[in-house]
Amino acid sequence: DAGVIQSPRHEVTEMGQEVTLRCKPISGHNSLFWYRQTMMRGLELLIYFNNNVPIDDSGMPEDRFSAKMPNASFSTLKIQPSEPRDSAVYFCASRRGQGLNYGYTFGSGTRLTVV
Amino acid sequence: DQQVKQNSPSLSVQEGRISILNCDYTNSMFDYFLWYKKYPAEGPTFLISISSIKDKNEDGRFTVFLNKSAKHLSLHIVPSQPGDSAVYFCAASGGGGSNYKLTFGKGTLLTVNP
Repeated sequence: DAGVIQSPRHEVTEMGQEVTLRCKPISGHNSLFWYRQTMMRGLELLIYFNNNVPIDDSGMPEDRFSAKMPNASFSTLKIQPSEPRDSAVYFCASRRGQGLNYGYTFGSGTRLTVV
Repeated sequence: DQQVKQNSPSLSVQEGRISILNCDYTNSMFDYFLWYKKYPAEGPTFLISISSIKDKNEDGRFTVFLNKSAKHLSLHIVPSQPGDSAVYFCAASGGGGSNYKLTFGKGTLLTVNP
């Protein structure tokens, strides 16, 4: 089991550019989450997919952020246009089923720096 | 409004001694609590959890205690080892049909000194 795979690990981009973060969940996991970690706010849920359908996107900061899950094995988080305040570590996580007995499995994260 | 609070940003403990990490929550609808451990440049990994119907859950060197009336939980690590040095996140879930969602504290950096 390769775990949750995120790419890229690091991304440095200029303000105004489009950024796309990618995630491959664990095979068989039907729930996928995007979290953002900042010093000020800690870990915040951005969006939650269940069976590829967005269920809760109330954490998405604004219209510049969008997320898709075209199939069970791939999701993207896009920021367009990016701003310096978007600099953070973005984590993807996946989970099998509805129970939280073992929480989620997180990827290693993408560290985004917008200059 | 932080619903899950970890008021100690850092904690330093001697190897072999007990580490106690604390967490407070404000949402009385939370009914499931988890602790995650995070090493630098890695994602958080699940450590231990507890349901609100229990007040204690133990797994090897790790024990989580839950005091519902005080809305407080703690993670005890005994004995502490240098490899336990990491950031520990408290997380909570439950209530209002949002049981998929984990609300995290900001974390406590634990340093175990040899």
